[in-house]
Amino acid sequence: AQTVTQSQPEMSVQEAETVTLSCTYDTSESDYYLFWYKQPPSRQMILVIRQEAYKQQNATENRFSVNFQKAAKSFSLKISDSQLGDAAMYFCASVMNYGGSQGNLIFGKGTKLSVKP
Amino acid sequence: KAGVTQTPRYLIKTRGQQVTLSCSPISGHRSVSWYQQTPGQGLQFLFEYFSETQRNKGNFPGRFSGRQFSNSRSEMNVSTLELGDSALYLCASSTGRGGNVGTDTQYFGPGTRLTVL
Repeated sequence: AQTVTQSQPEMSVQEAETVTLSCTYDTSESDYYLFWYKQPPSRQMILVIRQEAYKQQNATENRFSVNFQKAAKSFSLKISDSQLGDAAMYFCASVMNYGGSQGNLIFGKGTKLSVKP
Repeated sequence: KAGVTQTPRYLIKTRGQQVTLSCSPISGHRSVSWYQQTPGQGLQFLFEYFSETQRNKGNFPGRFSGRQFSNSRSEMNVSTLELGDSALYLCASSTGRGGNVGTDTQYFGPGTRLTVL
């Protein structure tokens, strides 16, 4: 069974600083995808960044980047130049690729990020 | 492109009643997945529909059912509501074709907040 673990229930960062959110996962499969989603108070789940397990290069999206360590089954999210709008719940998720993921994202419990002005 | 839409946004029901939630995916997306989000259990996968067929199912009782129409819109039904069914119900759409993380990325709607009294 797949599991995703986020060990930091809450994190805080000063505006313009950098913060890293941790995520570890467990799977016996070799082909899967990993995601970070953001859920602000409005409750809309927004895709932040995604990574294919077979790609060694870490994904980046503007101020967001990941540190993907496949052997360690670690997928941390780094947010640079933090902004007030980054305050939200962040969820790490994985899905197996069975020639089509067929839904079934497995989510971690989330990390609540606060940004201090 | 319009995003994923869900109706209604809020619902209040009493125990024993049934409820139907609706989800319209992003244009061109044929896969719709449903998730339940509660403070205690977090985000849990309910089921996934692709081309009007249920392709994958989570571990929920038979009171939870769904269907998908030819235009890819999906409905989720919960019969004989229990207090524990109070949750945010999220639907997500993707192309469902599989093959790469782009086609398998799920985009979420704003959710339907169901309260069971």
